[in-house]
Amino acid sequence: AQSVTQLGSHVSVSEGALVLLRCNYSSSVPPYLFWYVQYPNQGLQLLLKYTTGATLVKGINGFEAEFKKSETSFHLTKPSAHMSDAAEYFCAVSRDQAGTALIFGKGTTLSVSS
Amino acid sequence: DAMVIQNPRYQVTQFGKPVTLSCSQTLNHNVMYWYQQKSSQAPKLLFHYYDKDFNNEADTPDNFQSRRPNTSFCFLDIRSPGLGDTAMYLCATSRVGYTGELFFGEGSRLTVL
Repeated sequence: AQSVTQLGSHVSVSEGALVLLRCNYSSSVPPYLFWYVQYPNQGLQLLLKYTTGATLVKGINGFEAEFKKSETSFHLTKPSAHMSDAAEYFCAVSRDQAGTALIFGKGTTLSVSS
Repeated sequence: DAMVIQNPRYQVTQFGKPVTLSCSQTLNHNVMYWYQQKSSQAPKLLFHYYDKDFNNEADTPDNFQSRRPNTSFCFLDIRSPGLGDTAMYLCATSRVGYTGELFFGEGSRLTVL
């Protein structure tokens, strides 16, 4: 069965510092992987996704993630954090390749200090 | 402009008193989902509709029901809420062929007393 583990429920960085949010997955089929972001009092919003092809995927707001099959990882990075990046981030894996059901991780709260 | 709208945003109910949460969408997406998110836990899929076809997750309690009268609306009915049903309930939509691209509403926060 598919599952997602997000390492670290809370990550704190300074403005301008590198952001690294970790996600490891387990999947019995070639995985489709996603990162979603949730700003306070808002719904979840797709940040980026990997389905096939290039293993480094770019998303909105300068975020990117790299699919590493050998490490079963899909870590999210951003070179320079901005105050507006403070939010909760969810990694997810598709249960099947139809993509009709996503399995989410528990989320990582990102705090950015000035 | 909000595209997936959930009502109410906040609901307090008594133990055992039925509650209905609603979701409407202006995206004309054919797939609609209900997720349950408890504090500090991952969103958990309860069920989804592919058009009118209802797909229940195996571990969704019988206490939870859903209706989709038309493309735009979907309802979550909790027949006899227990204290453990206190959670955020998230509605989402997607289009077939857009793998994993879900559009979420802002959620309905349910508290059972």
